[in-house]
Amino acid sequence: DTAVSQTPKYLVTQMGNDKSIKCEQNLGHDTMYWYKQDSKKFLKIMFSYNNKELIINETVPNRFSPKSPDKAHLNLHINSLELGDSAVYFCASSQGTQGTYEQYFGPGTRLTVT
Amino acid sequence: KQEVTQIPAALSVPEGENLVLNCSFTDSAIYNLQWFRQDPGKGLTSLLLIQSSQREQTSGRLNASLDKSSGRSTLYIAASQPGDSATYLCAATGTASKLTFGTGTRLQVTL
Repeated sequence: DTAVSQTPKYLVTQMGNDKSIKCEQNLGHDTMYWYKQDSKKFLKIMFSYNNKELIINETVPNRFSPKSPDKAHLNLHINSLELGDSAVYFCASSQGTQGTYEQYFGPGTRLTVT
Repeated sequence: KQEVTQIPAALSVPEGENLVLNCSFTDSAIYNLQWFRQDPGKGLTSLLLIQSSQREQTSGRLNASLDKSSGRSTLYIAASQPGDSATYLCAATGTASKLTFGTGTRLQVTL
């Protein structure tokens, strides 16, 4: 059983397009996250949601908009894609927002903007 | 602002050796520290989580220690195997469960 799943796994698109990445977790967690891993393999948090409410919003361009229809899903929509958006995006979830909980990661979505 | 550094950036050892990976963090106000493994082109697999009140955690051949006061954590791998080859990441958990990742150590275990 997949705990945290993401679709698509690969996404190739042109500059200026709008795209979405979907994330679902079946762990019963109420907190979900989006992370970005750049070309140098450095991982950085972008957003976190708890029970559909935005908790963390790092300095991410407004072109990125997370949407949480329910606590099992956290989708990432990106407008007007730029070359610099090319990266691997990871979704994660945890049982709560308290820092003591372990985070579980999805397999990642490799986004390539041409 | 939390900063996490891992040394060395890359390491190559022959099979069977014991090895230590280092992780240091600047802000000791953490809830826990997690060690992850990432295989090329894959996601992250959680290896060990040490709560801030703990000193170490063990899982099989892996042992992780935490010294909050000095801002350091180590991951000890005993009797390394070629299957241990991967990138190892440490991450410190702060307020609102925000993970700050280290720069990673790329490990190669040779036959």
